[in-house]
Amino acid sequence: KNEVEQSPQNLTAQEGEFITINCSYSVGISALHWLQQHPGGGIVSLFMLSSGKKKHGRLIATINIQEKHSSLHITASHPRDSAVYICAVEKVSDKLIFGTGTRLQVFP
Amino acid sequence: DAGVIQSPRHEVTEMGQEVTLRCKPISGHNSLFWYRQTMMRGLELLIYFNNNVPIDDSGMPEDRFSAKMPNASFSTLKIQPSEPRDSAVYFCASSPGTHFSRPQPQHFGDGTRLSIL
Repeated sequence: KNEVEQSPQNLTAQEGEFITINCSYSVGISALHWLQQHPGGGIVSLFMLSSGKKKHGRLIATINIQEKHSSLHITASHPRDSAVYICAVEKVSDKLIFGTGTRLQVFP
Repeated sequence: DAGVIQSPRHEVTEMGQEVTLRCKPISGHNSLFWYRQTMMRGLELLIYFNNNVPIDDSGMPEDRFSAKMPNASFSTLKIQPSEPRDSAVYFCASSPGTHFSRPQPQHFGDGTRLSIL
């Protein structure tokens, strides 16, 4: 069993829809990271969180340490949000373990 | 801020050849990571350095792979001899490092797309 599980694997949405991507992990962590990978291939760090909730623009990330679960929400989705979203957990200093990613397509 | 710089962006070579991938981390960052991304296995950590010292190389697939960080501004990942199954995208990332009391976000380069024929 993978230490980091994401769901769904693929997600399609209409522009304007509210989107949720889930991440569950089975190990103790010091932090959880959400990354975005665009079709061009580049990877951008969206959030790093150890507790609670963070918001950046239309993106919101939450984490529940007790339940070992995190969610990434996108409000008012837009075609430019189409990308692969990757959850990664940090077990010991700096070392990341990645989920398999969620491929999101937002249609106009 | 130049970000993490990787070269080359693309590399196509024949099996058996030596391949060298290069990375310049963000100035002032003390941790550097090499990752490999494939369709089958997703993103995997190969090796990471802290203050130019390799800390964990448990992800390096086999002896054909080696990585060095001769100074704080440069690292290489070498594959010799290369094989078709090494074809993947290789990412380098850096972060401020473990001397901070809390985790730090990682900054990724654009990756090197490697094809071994």
